[in-house]
Amino acid sequence: HSVLTQPPSVSAAPGQKVTISCSGGSSNIGNNYVSWYQQLPGTAPKLLIFDNDKRPSGIPDRFSGSKSGTSATLDITGLQTGDEADYYCGTWDASLSGGVFGGGTKVTVL
Amino acid sequence: HITLKESGPTLVKPTQTLTLTCTFSGFSLSSSGVGVGWIRQSPGKALEWLALIFWDDDKVYSPSLKSRLTITKDTSKKQVVLTMTKMDPVDTATYYCAHKVPWGYFDYWGQGALVTVSS
Repeated sequence: HSVLTQPPSVSAAPGQKVTISCSGGSSNIGNNYVSWYQQLPGTAPKLLIFDNDKRPSGIPDRFSGSKSGTSATLDITGLQTGDEADYYCGTWDASLSGGVFGGGTKVTVL
Repeated sequence: HITLKESGPTLVKPTQTLTLTCTFSGFSLSSSGVGVGWIRQSPGKALEWLALIFWDDDKVYSPSLKSRLTITKDTSKKQVVLTMTKMDPVDTATYYCAHKVPWGYFDYWGQGALVTVSS
């Protein structure tokens, strides 16, 4: 199982909002930046959020990230059919001396 | 413009050693703080962090796979090589390499290379 815990799936209607949680501990999220990746079906992961809440150029502001303590959250507002994908959180883990990812969350647009 | 591309065998037999090459462009692996990592994804499963090599040749491995992995770089050829010994069918996965920003996240990923382990 993954070091970081994410819900397996979330869903909402077009135009609505979904929230994806990523729970960890003091050795990972608690003391490191979190990044989020979007993986569309059949493609490689793509950076969505870095340093907890920053968006790379070209990522719409419908995507936002936050972190509090040992948990992080990805919000997607104004949900679109093109947002159907798997979403992963990632960070560094000092105890493992390596990177870790969450188990992934599948977003479904109803 | 940063790009990375994985190459290697698509099929390996159990117990064999897998060698994957990541060929990149658009950055130098001698720049301070830069790294290249390997991540894999078994069919229908989550991403799994495997290994990372830094600009200064420092290396980090997943604790659970450390005994089987070796990561090396050839800065002049702009390549990073991952070897994994004692391959097993459970190692069947798509293997990705990715560019790691100094002390941070993976911002560019390769397209991935599917490796099947079967006799």
